[in-house]
Amino acid sequence: GQNIDQPTEMTATEGAIVQINCTYQTSGFNGLFWYQQHAGEAPTFLSYNVLDGLEEKGRFSSFLSRSKGYSYLLLKELQMKDSASYLCAVKDSNYQLIWGAGTKLIIKP
Amino acid sequence: GAVVSQHPSWVICKSGTSVKIECRSLDFQATTMFWYRQFPKQSLMLMATSNEGSKATYEQGVEKDKFLINHASLTLSTLTVTSAHPEDSSFYICSAAGLAEYNEQFFGPGTRLTVL
Repeated sequence: GQNIDQPTEMTATEGAIVQINCTYQTSGFNGLFWYQQHAGEAPTFLSYNVLDGLEEKGRFSSFLSRSKGYSYLLLKELQMKDSASYLCAVKDSNYQLIWGAGTKLIIKP
Repeated sequence: GAVVSQHPSWVICKSGTSVKIECRSLDFQATTMFWYRQFPKQSLMLMATSNEGSKATYEQGVEKDKFLINHASLTLSTLTVTSAHPEDSSFYICSAAGLAEYNEQFFGPGTRLTVL
């Protein structure tokens, strides 16, 4: 079966750095997405990786290793507004998006 | 970025009634639209995928006769929850995918349905 694993919850301090990991086992791979979802709101697109390596976009970076079936989202200089759930999703060989359960990130002052 | 709207943003209805939710892509043509359901503290659950002008593809376990999807144009898809029951109460979110750089999905703001 297809499976995406990410931690259920993480806690970090304002101003610090946090890394949210995602491992996947899917039938084929056509890209990995990270989305942010604040409570009661719809997800918003953060990043996309299809080749190995690091993609940097401001305070957020996303890394992919296809051989290891592994990605992480790195958030720097954490702000209180970064408190949200972060969803990892993989597009499989049929270009269907497989969603992880999400990681709830709690930022403490 | 692309904008997707949903209407209504919330609705309360009596058990047995039908509710229609609209999803519109405002500034791009969406070749594919997706409907998700999300229960509290749970992840997104894909209900169905629809392409303009063709029948929707429903995920396993989703009743197509209960959740009617119409994708009449490249900018509008509707989800009708027929004969709603309290267990249908959930957060319904649509997304649209067009010809964006990564073909990423753009999500609507969601519709919170409460069935009494």
